[in-house]
Amino acid sequence: AQSVTQLDSHVSVSEGTPVLLRCNYSSSYSPSLFWYVQHPNKGLQLLLKYTSAATLVKGINGFEAEFKKSETSFHLTKPSAHMSDAAEYFCVVTLGGGGSQGNLIFGKGTKLSVKP
Amino acid sequence: DTGVSQDPRHKITKRGQNVTFRCDPISEHNRLYWYRQTLGQGPEFLTYFQNEAQLEKSRLLSDRFSAERPKGSFSTLEIQRTEQGDSAMYLCAVNPDTATNEKLFFGSGTQLSVL
Repeated sequence: AQSVTQLDSHVSVSEGTPVLLRCNYSSSYSPSLFWYVQHPNKGLQLLLKYTSAATLVKGINGFEAEFKKSETSFHLTKPSAHMSDAAEYFCVVTLGGGGSQGNLIFGKGTKLSVKP
Repeated sequence: DTGVSQDPRHKITKRGQNVTFRCDPISEHNRLYWYRQTLGQGPEFLTYFQNEAQLEKSRLLSDRFSAERPKGSFSTLEIQRTEQGDSAMYLCAVNPDTATNEKLFFGSGTQLSVL
């Protein structure tokens, strides 16, 4: 079965410092992995996705994530945090395969706080 | 703006009442999804439409829940005889890419509170 585990429920950083949001996945085959961001009172927005091409994936707003099969990880990073990055971030894996067309499996989320 | 409008934004109801939510994608999308998000959790898949056809239902979707997409554009989600455990954010999403199920555009959701 596919699942994701977000290792931190809350991360707090200072503005201008690096961001690391950790995610480990479990999948019986090569997964597609995503990071979504949810700002208060706004819809979930796709940050980036990995689909078996390059292992280092660049997304919007300066975020990137690296797929590491040996570690079953897909951590999200950003070199320098901005106040506008404060939000909840979700690591997501698809069920994929030939059957399901709809199932994204979301982690429980990591709330990122950015201090001035 | 994600191009997905949900109405209402908030709904407060008493236990046992019926509620209906609506999802309006701005443009035509073949695939439409409903998710539920409870406090401290990520969204959980409820059901999925390909045009008018409801192709998948999660085990989370009890008999009290029904979803429709009569014309393949907007969709409604009805909960009958609401229970306090139904309190959650209900999210609608669309997939503009017919080749994959990868990139979803989510609405802002309807927050349901059952008293």
